[in-house]
Amino acid sequence: AQSVTQLDSQVPVFEEAPVELRCNYSSSVSVYLFWYVQYPNQGLQLLLKYLSGSTLVKGINGFEAEFNKSQTSFHLRKPSVHISDTAEYFCAVSDGGTSYGKLTFGQGTILTVHP
Amino acid sequence: NAGVMQNPRHLVRRRGQEARLRCSPVKGHSHVYWYRQLPEEGLKFMVYLQKENIIDESGMPKERFSAEFPKEGPSILRIQQVVRGDSAAYFCASSPAGSLTDTQYFGPGTRLTVL
Repeated sequence: AQSVTQLDSQVPVFEEAPVELRCNYSSSVSVYLFWYVQYPNQGLQLLLKYLSGSTLVKGINGFEAEFNKSQTSFHLRKPSVHISDTAEYFCAVSDGGTSYGKLTFGQGTILTVHP
Repeated sequence: NAGVMQNPRHLVRRRGQEARLRCSPVKGHSHVYWYRQLPEEGLKFMVYLQKENIIDESGMPKERFSAEFPKEGPSILRIQQVVRGDSAAYFCASSPAGSLTDTQYFGPGTRLTVL
């Protein structure tokens, strides 16, 4: 069975500071990894995904993530955050034991950007 | 280009009533997933459907919950005889091919409150 752990439930940061949201996963099969963002009272929106190839993945809104197979991690980073980045962020893995996109999500990290 | 539509956005039911949640996928998508988000938790997979078929319902409670995706019309998640523990946000997602690598497009969710 797969699992996803987001190590920080809340991350406060000042505007224009860098941020890293941590995600670790466990799986006995190949995985595909995703980061989604959820703004208040909205659905989830895809930020980026890792399927194969380069371990550094660039997404929307200036976010990027690095896949590290040896550490089973997929941390999300942004060099300079804006107030509008305040939201909840979810890391997810696709179940490699199936042929379809059954996602397992982490518990979420609430990013709060202060002026 | 309409995204995933869910209605109602908010639903209040008394214990013992039925709740019907509707999901219209992105036009042309024939793969639908339902997820449940309990307070303070991440999203949990409930069921995966293709048109007229339930492919994986391993995340659905065995009793009171059912889902369908008919040939015409939206996908429906039905909860009979609701209890307080059913209070949650229910999200629907659709994808074009249902594969492991597909991006899932999420609706805004239905927030169910059971009194």
